[in-house]
Amino acid sequence: AQSVSQHNHHVILSEAASLELGCNYSYGGTVNLFWYVQYPGQHLQLLLKYFSGDPLVKGIKGFEAEFIKSKFSFNLRKPSVQWSDTAEYFCAVKTGGSYIPTFGRGTSLIVHP
Amino acid sequence: GAVVSQHPSRVICKSGTSVKIECRSLDFQATTMFWYRQFPKQSLMLMATSNEGSKATYEQGVEKDKFLINHASLTLSTLTVTSAHPEDSSFYICSASGDRGKANYGYTFGSGTRLTVV
Repeated sequence: AQSVSQHNHHVILSEAASLELGCNYSYGGTVNLFWYVQYPGQHLQLLLKYFSGDPLVKGIKGFEAEFIKSKFSFNLRKPSVQWSDTAEYFCAVKTGGSYIPTFGRGTSLIVHP
Repeated sequence: GAVVSQHPSRVICKSGTSVKIECRSLDFQATTMFWYRQFPKQSLMLMATSNEGSKATYEQGVEKDKFLINHASLTLSTLTVTSAHPEDSSFYICSASGDRGKANYGYTFGSGTRLTVV
């Protein structure tokens, strides 16, 4: 079975700092990759997704993620974070044989103004 | 876009009582609903998958008699935690899909329910 690892459990940054959240998965076949964000008191929202094509995916709110197949990674990045980016971020992977994604444990991001 | 409404957002109940959580798709027909549970500092764990009109498929280790799932219509699925105990306190979240996971690939999520059993 596939697994998804998010190595950064807690990240604390100051505004304008750059962000990179790691996501690694353990599956050798075709994957669909997702990043979700959950703002305090709100529901999960899709930030971006990758299915095929350009491995550099642009999402909402200035986020992007790069799929590196050789590293089984799909790291999330943002060049300059804002206080409003404070949230929980989840990476998820769906394999070709399943229509249910597997989630990572999440990364809590706190951005200080 | 697709919207999923989940109620209640927070509930506190006494040990031994039952709690029902509703998940509604507001603007699309959800042929498949997923119920997840999130423990603090852990990932979302899939509890069960329900297809409209069919019995839910539970993940290993999830007690089907304790977590009753009903998906009687294309827009409503309910999760009932029966005889709740403090260890059932958690964050429960549903997600819905319109075409067996292919409609939007984004799996529209409800807003979640924080259950506290005292």
